Amino acid sequence: DAGVIQSPRHEVTEMGQEVTLRCKPISGHDYLFWYRQTMMRGLELLIYFNNNVPIDDSGMPEDRFSAKMPNASFSTLKIQPSEPRDSAVYFCASITSGRVNEQFFGPGTRLTVL
Amino acid sequence: TQLLEQSPQFLSIQEGENLTVYCNSSSVFSSLQWYRQEPGEGPVLLVTVVTGGEVKKLKRLTFQFGDARKDSSLHITAAQPGDTGLYLCAGGWGDMRFGAGTRLTVKP
Repeated sequence: DAGVIQSPRHEVTEMGQEVTLRCKPISGHDYLFWYRQTMMRGLELLIYFNNNVPIDDSGMPEDRFSAKMPNASFSTLKIQPSEPRDSAVYFCASITSGRVNEQFFGPGTRLTVL
Repeated sequence: TQLLEQSPQFLSIQEGENLTVYCNSSSVFSSLQWYRQEPGEGPVLLVTVVTGGEVKKLKRLTFQFGDARKDSSLHITAAQPGDTGLYLCAGGWGDMRFGAGTRLTVKP
């Protein structure tokens, strides 16, 4: 079975550019989470969706960050404009409501903003 | 603010040694999860503990949930180089919070 799929795996961009990260959750999972991981702050929850609806976006750091989930099999995290402090590894994870304690993480997108 | 504190932050040991890492909180959690993360990959769930005082074993790994459900420990017996990685504890759900992790290196 395919796990959580993220793209791209690596992204290098210049400050001020728009960045879009993509995630495909595991089929049948009804919750999707976006996390950011840095050495300084560890793994932080940014936003999560249930049945494509954003439930809690209190972790989104600024208005420069936005996330959408147009359907059950696709989500995007967009940063516009990007800044060097946004450099981090961004993870997407999904769960099924039948097993809420078991999150499945994607491989992450390593973002570098120059 | 991290609700879960993990210790030690770094641990480097020789193959064959035993070790224990800790996850502590001032909050009560209905469950705690332990994950292992290897370089370039996402965290992978190892175990979930839900009952105070619960002990779960996964081969050479033993997980314990504190009686008050505020803390947990992970004990590894006879560590192997393949155990190297970042060990994360997490609590809550929905707004799941992660500890900063223990970065374990097992040298052959």
